[in-house]
Amino acid sequence: GESVGLHLPTLSVQEGDNSIINCAYSNSASDYFIWYKQESGKGPQFIIDIRSNMDKRQGQRVTVLLNKTVKHLSLQIAATQPGDSAVYFCAEAQSSYDKVIFGPGTSLSVIP
Amino acid sequence: ETGVTQTPRHLVMGMTNKKSLKCEQHLGHNAMYWYKQSAKKPLELMFVYNFKEQTENNSVPSRFSPECPNSSHLFLHLHTLQPEDSALYLCASSQVRNQPQHFGDGTRLSIL
Repeated sequence: GESVGLHLPTLSVQEGDNSIINCAYSNSASDYFIWYKQESGKGPQFIIDIRSNMDKRQGQRVTVLLNKTVKHLSLQIAATQPGDSAVYFCAEAQSSYDKVIFGPGTSLSVIP
Repeated sequence: ETGVTQTPRHLVMGMTNKKSLKCEQHLGHNAMYWYKQSAKKPLELMFVYNFKEQTENNSVPSRFSPECPNSSHLFLHLHTLQPEDSALYLCASSQVRNQPQHFGDGTRLSIL
């Protein structure tokens, strides 16, 4: 069936380095993609989103890249900080439906 | 303050009990969602309400019964649950469907 998956379940990076979290999706009809961050004991928090008419979008220290040709999504975090340690989820959706499908998540650990 | 408040934060109940989870959002959103988050599994969408009308029931067992009396409140009524229903139940809201969702911090449910 259609699904969203992550290439790496865990990622460790040195503080100050850049982090890249990858996500593959299989539903070519998806046109809206979101990244969420979930810290321990809290609900997911929206980070950034991108629609299929774009291939790059930047926020504060974060950049999302969308490659529709290979159905790949990535989240880049610049100058990673200890507070960035969390589980990161990508999610996909179709504009005409309510359903958002979440990937299994990648755990990011920042080494001081 | 996330804008989405869930109560209780923790709930332990027996399989024959009846309890309800409550979600309240202070963001003026029109869509509300219930998700189930189990260990090592992606977030599972359970129910979607759009302008107080249920628009999605993702094959959820009837022992889970949602209620949305107004756009600000969402309930999940529980009865005769099974041990495999132990999980973190997350509520979310969005301005309209397929906009970024704001999550509460969840109710950690344990079924004895």
